[in-house]
Amino acid sequence: EAGVTQFPSHSVIEKGQTVTLRCDPISGHDNLYWYRRVMGKEIKFLLHFVKESKQDESGMPNNRFLAERTGGTYSTLKVQPAELEDSGVYFCASSQDPPDRRYEQYFGPGTRLTVT
Amino acid sequence: EDQVTQSPEALRLQEGESSSLNCSYTVSGLRGLFWYRQDPGKGPEFLFTLYSAGEEKEKERLKATLTKKESFLHITAPKPEDSATYLCAVAPQGAQKLVFGQGTRLTINP
Repeated sequence: EAGVTQFPSHSVIEKGQTVTLRCDPISGHDNLYWYRRVMGKEIKFLLHFVKESKQDESGMPNNRFLAERTGGTYSTLKVQPAELEDSGVYFCASSQDPPDRRYEQYFGPGTRLTVT
Repeated sequence: EDQVTQSPEALRLQEGESSSLNCSYTVSGLRGLFWYRQDPGKGPEFLFTLYSAGEEKEKERLKATLTKKESFLHITAPKPEDSATYLCAVAPQGAQKLVFGQGTRLTINP
């Protein structure tokens, strides 16, 4: 079974440009999450989709970040315009929606974003 | 505010030298506590979930335990391939987001 995949693995952009990160969850996983780690800090939650709906956006830092999940499959995270402090590693995770409500999240390899 | 603190930040052991990593947490109701392993340049790899105090889970040389305030990851007779950063995270009651600690960087010398 394929795991969570993310594209690109690395992205280097200039301040003010736009970048779009993509995540493909494990097939059949309705729940999709975005996290990020900025240098020297712990991994922090950004948002959670259930199918195509945003369930929890409490971690989104500001309105320069836009997340979408088309048809409840893959998701994109767009940063526009990018700022220096957006540099970090962006992780995507997915989980099933089991009857026992025990959600185990499986992570992708991450996208390393560098804003110069 | 939900918070996770892991200690030590870094730990060096000789091959075969057993030890424990600590994860202390404060959370508004615990839905679950998660342990992950992360290798350089890769995403976190799921190890265990613990749901209630007193619960224990084992996988090869790793054993995770949970109390009402902390969790331990015990490593028995480690090998160099166990070298990695070990991450602890909690899921608050009523939410699916994970709150992570900063991790413990474990190095096993041959």
